[in-house]
Amino acid sequence: GDSVTQMEGPVTLSEEAFLTINCTYTATGYPSLFWYVQYPGEGLQLLLKATKADDKGSNKGFEATYRKETTSFHLEKGSVQVSDSAVYFCALLVGDDKIIFGKGTRLHILP
Amino acid sequence: EAQVTQNPRYLITVTGKKLTVTCSQNMNHEYMSWYRQDPGLGLRQIYYSMNVEVTDKGDVPEGYKVSRKEKRNFPLILESPSPNQTSLYFCASKQREGGTRGTEAFFGQGTRLTVV
Repeated sequence: GDSVTQMEGPVTLSEEAFLTINCTYTATGYPSLFWYVQYPGEGLQLLLKATKADDKGSNKGFEATYRKETTSFHLEKGSVQVSDSAVYFCALLVGDDKIIFGKGTRLHILP
Repeated sequence: EAQVTQNPRYLITVTGKKLTVTCSQNMNHEYMSWYRQDPGLGLRQIYYSMNVEVTDKGDVPEGYKVSRKEKRNFPLILESPSPNQTSLYFCASKQREGGTRGTEAFFGQGTRLTVV
């Protein structure tokens, strides 16, 4: 069945470091791909998305490219800040409106 | 302001005492869903609804009920809560996929439930 696998955390980085969180997926058809972020004590909110192969989603300095050939949607940011500390979820959306989430990656940024 | 509102935010209850967690959205979304979030397991879908009076089981529906009598409301009902239902619960809503792909889901702030 459809699934999402993302790197396990926690990931701890120093401020201004480069961030990569890996995400790969298995899906029939052509899913849309998302990254959601959950700040402490809050619900999830959309960070970025891509709806077709080779699309690049971007927001708040984060980027991810929909790679159909490697079934991947890795999240990257060139210079992280303390305020980026959160849990990040990779997700895919299949044709029947169902969103399938990865298990989440907790990110800690040290000042 | 577009939002999904859940109540209560925190709840401690005893085994077997029926409870309801409410969820309301103000975006006229057709699709609504409940998830539970547990450490190491991520978010798992409990139930979802494609429209009024249309509900269906998600991946972990046992021990839960839902109803969708109005478009804006989608309450989650635990008829006889047990300790293994201690979790963080999220309600979400979104537009249906149709002409637009990749519709965004909007989440409530969560309900932390403890069953003792």
